[in-house]
Amino acid sequence: DTGVSQDPRHKITKRGQNVTFRCDPISEHNRLYWYRQTLGQGPEFLTYFQNEAQLEKSRLLSDRFSAERPKGSFSTLEIQRTEQGDSAMYLCASSFPQAMGVNVLTFGAGSRLTVL
Amino acid sequence: AQTVTQSQPEMSVQEAETVTLSCTYDTSENNYYLFWYKQPPSRQMILVIRQEAYKQQNATENRFSVNFQKAAKSFSLKISDSQLGDTAMYFCASDSFNKFYFGSGTKLNVKP
Repeated sequence: DTGVSQDPRHKITKRGQNVTFRCDPISEHNRLYWYRQTLGQGPEFLTYFQNEAQLEKSRLLSDRFSAERPKGSFSTLEIQRTEQGDSAMYLCASSFPQAMGVNVLTFGAGSRLTVL
Repeated sequence: AQTVTQSQPEMSVQEAETVTLSCTYDTSENNYYLFWYKQPPSRQMILVIRQEAYKQQNATENRFSVNFQKAAKSFSLKISDSQLGDTAMYFCASDSFNKFYFGSGTKLNVKP
C-alpha cells in the first residue's frame, strides 16, 4: 500500500480558470476527507465521503467547489472560476473507523494551488 | 462546532530536553477523540498520538505523552528527549462525529 496519493502536487493557474485535484486513498479506507490549509494555519474541513456518499460539506465550500467520489474509490475536488483567495494547500485524508469508533486520518502530501 | 486553540505559535527546545505543547478545545459532545499530528517541513502530516475522551489514562507513545484534563478541556503534548527530527509543525485536533477540527499549530524548533 502506497498511502494516500494526491495529484498534482502543485498547480499554478490564472484567476478565473478551473482546476481539478485528484486523491487516491488507501484502498481499504471507506472514508475520504478534503481539507484546505493556508500558510501558518491548521487544516480546515471542507467535505467528507463515506464510500461514494458525500455526507457533509463545510459552509466554507462555496458553490464554486465541488467534490465527487465515484464508486467510492478515488475522489476529485474541482474549483471553478478560481480566485486568488483560493490559493492554499488542499489536503486529502482517508480513514477506516477502528474499534470503539476511533477514526484515524492518514493524510496525503497535498496539492498546492497558486492562483495568479 | 468544536474549536481547538493552540496558544503557542512557536517554541524552541534544546536537543535531548523536554518540551510541552499546549492545546485547549471546546466541545459540547460527550464522546470524542483528541489527536496530535506532526507536519515536518514540506512533508505530509502524520499521527503522533491519540486519546479517547472516555479513557482517564493518559496516552503514551515512546517519547510522546499527553496530559489530558477533561474537565479543563486541555490536551497538552509532552516530548521527552527531543530529537532534531522532531522539528515540525504540531497540530492538535479533535474528532466528534467524523469531523476533525484542527488548531492553528505550534512550530517546534529543536536546536542542536
